[in-house]
Amino acid sequence: QKEVEQDPGPLSVPEGAIVSLNCTYSNSAFQYFMWYRQYSRKGPELLMYTYSSGNKEDGRFTAQVDKSSKYISLFIRDSQPSDSATYLCAMRSSGSARQLTFGSGTQLTVLP
Amino acid sequence: DGGITQSPKYLFRKEGQNVTLSCEQNLNHDAMYWYRQDPGQGLRLIYYSQIVNDFQKGDIAEGYSVSREKKESFPLTVTSAQKNPTAFYLCASRGTGVNRVEAFFGQGTRLTVV
Repeated sequence: QKEVEQDPGPLSVPEGAIVSLNCTYSNSAFQYFMWYRQYSRKGPELLMYTYSSGNKEDGRFTAQVDKSSKYISLFIRDSQPSDSATYLCAMRSSGSARQLTFGSGTQLTVLP
Repeated sequence: DGGITQSPKYLFRKEGQNVTLSCEQNLNHDAMYWYRQDPGQGLRLIYYSQIVNDFQKGDIAEGYSVSREKKESFPLTVTSAQKNPTAFYLCASRGTGVNRVEAFFGQGTRLTVV
């Protein structure tokens, strides 16, 4: 079983829809949770960063972490065609020098 | 502009050849990382380095080698011992201490065996 599970999709939604992307994990030591966006043939870019449980909002994006359920989510409001990309969740434990453990990514297409 | 530069963008390797992928950063980050990305498998850690002249194996180090002679540079060599090298390779860096941020990625090198 993978440490981080992420539904690979693909997920297609109409423009303006609310998108929900999710990951589950098994390692209770994970403390830092991230969402990366990756356009085709490009490197991932950091979208959201959350420490421990709770919510964080940045414009149209909201990240939620529920450590008791070992479940994290990314919500995209008013989705745009430019949001079409692969979204990767990532997480690490405190003081981890090995860096991040990634989910396999969810491919999202927002249709105009 | 600060960032991470990977080169080349595309690389073709013949069977039995060693090839080296370049990664340079001007972010003054101490830690640097190499990941491999295959379709449907996310990113897997190959090697990482927290400081000059020191590096550690990641989850899939077999068939790869690295060096860290300068803070700015962390080249990856894909050796002939790597049996399935065709993949997208990503270099990342991360600040530590007061410069600590999460991983900042380069734009990747796509390696194909011909």
